[in-house]
Amino acid sequence: AAGVIQSPRHLIKEKRETATLKCYPIPRHDTVYWYQQGPGQDPQFLISFYEKMQSDKGSIPDRFSAQQFSDYHSELNMSSLELGDSALYFCASSQNTYNEQFFGPGTRLTVL
Amino acid sequence: EDQVTQSPEALRLQEGESSSLNCSYTVSGLRGLFWYRQDPGKGPEFLFTLYSAGEEKEKERLKATLTKKESFLHITAPKPEDSATYLCAVQPLTQGGSEKLVFGKGTKLTVNP
Repeated sequence: AAGVIQSPRHLIKEKRETATLKCYPIPRHDTVYWYQQGPGQDPQFLISFYEKMQSDKGSIPDRFSAQQFSDYHSELNMSSLELGDSALYFCASSQNTYNEQFFGPGTRLTVL
Repeated sequence: EDQVTQSPEALRLQEGESSSLNCSYTVSGLRGLFWYRQDPGKGPEFLFTLYSAGEEKEKERLKATLTKKESFLHITAPKPEDSATYLCAVQPLTQGGSEKLVFGKGTKLTVNP
């Protein structure tokens, strides 16, 4: 069965650089979620989109922005990167807002 | 504030030794409770959703149950391949709607052969 696709899988950036993470949801899923998981931590909700509109917002820094496109893929843009942004970033998708969320393999971001 | 607490933090079992993982939660209202399995460096893998007290779901050696304040993940006769971190998450019922999952810190399960 098709799963959530994330790219890139690994990303290394310097402080103050920018990064773009991409997420391709499971076909026919209309809702995308972004989570951040620091080392040894639980996933923390960042933001979500339903039908290309932002539907909920969590603890996402102002330096981060995201959007969902007409083909339902989503991109998380991160600017002025800080060392503390180093983490695993997961995208999840669901069919309708309150259904089960299926997670992608994650993007490991390392900020040096 | 919505909160999820999982216990124990870590659990070591011998192959075939059944046990239970606990997830207690505090939310103003519960839309759903989710169990995920996570292997190191990988994304959480969906296991179960529970919506109301008294509900039970089973999958192979795993059985999840839900009460008004906690959920249990029972593992019967575990095998080494069941070794992973098991995450519990709640989806709060909020005015205006919210889709976010609030996760616990997980239970790291190790099953020795």
